Amino acid sequence: GESVGLHLPTLSVQEGDNSIINCAYSNSASDYFIWYKQESGKGPQFIIDIRSNMDKRQGQRVTVLLNKTVKHLSLQIAATQPGDSAVYFCAENSPGNKLVFGAGTILRVKS
Amino acid sequence: DAGVTQSPTHLIKTRGQHVTLRCSPISGHKSVSWYQQVLGQGPQFIFQYYEKEERGRGNFPDRFSARQFPNYSSELNVNALLLGDSALYLCASSLVSGVSTGELFFGEGSRLTVL
Repeated sequence: GESVGLHLPTLSVQEGDNSIINCAYSNSASDYFIWYKQESGKGPQFIIDIRSNMDKRQGQRVTVLLNKTVKHLSLQIAATQPGDSAVYFCAENSPGNKLVFGAGTILRVKS
Repeated sequence: DAGVTQSPTHLIKTRGQHVTLRCSPISGHKSVSWYQQVLGQGPQFIFQYYEKEERGRGNFPDRFSARQFPNYSSELNVNALLLGDSALYLCASSLVSGVSTGELFFGEGSRLTVL
């Protein structure tokens, strides 16, 4: 069946350090992946996406890496700030115009 | 510019009742999707509508239904509420139908509690 899972449910990092959030996906046919950030009491917010014909994409302070061989996705946040504290979800596209979300990783930034 | 707006933001119902949740997409967006997010989990896809037609349906019982209006706003209806329906219901809009071709913009959600 479809599933997108995360290795670490909670990640604590020191302010200024880099963060790496990992995600494993199971559907080898997925060709589009997205990272979302969800703050308490808010809806998910788009961070960055990547298509399966790429293995790396960079945004502002964020980088997404895709390893199709092992079906692994990661989100790297440079110079993590307190405002980055949130739950991060990876998601993959799936037939039927839907996204399949993982369970989420809590990122806590210590000042 | 207004983002995706949902109403109500919070509501409490009892088992067996029904609920209607409403969503207004971003101006110009023709696609609306509904997701259910149970506490501590990622969102689960319920429906997607584009140009007033259902384009996708998740693995939810027939108690869940939705529709999209000519102005592209949408309603999600849930009948015969169960305790397990307690969740945050998220609406997302996009310009186009496919999830691989357009960014999804989520609203803040409607928090439903079933007692």
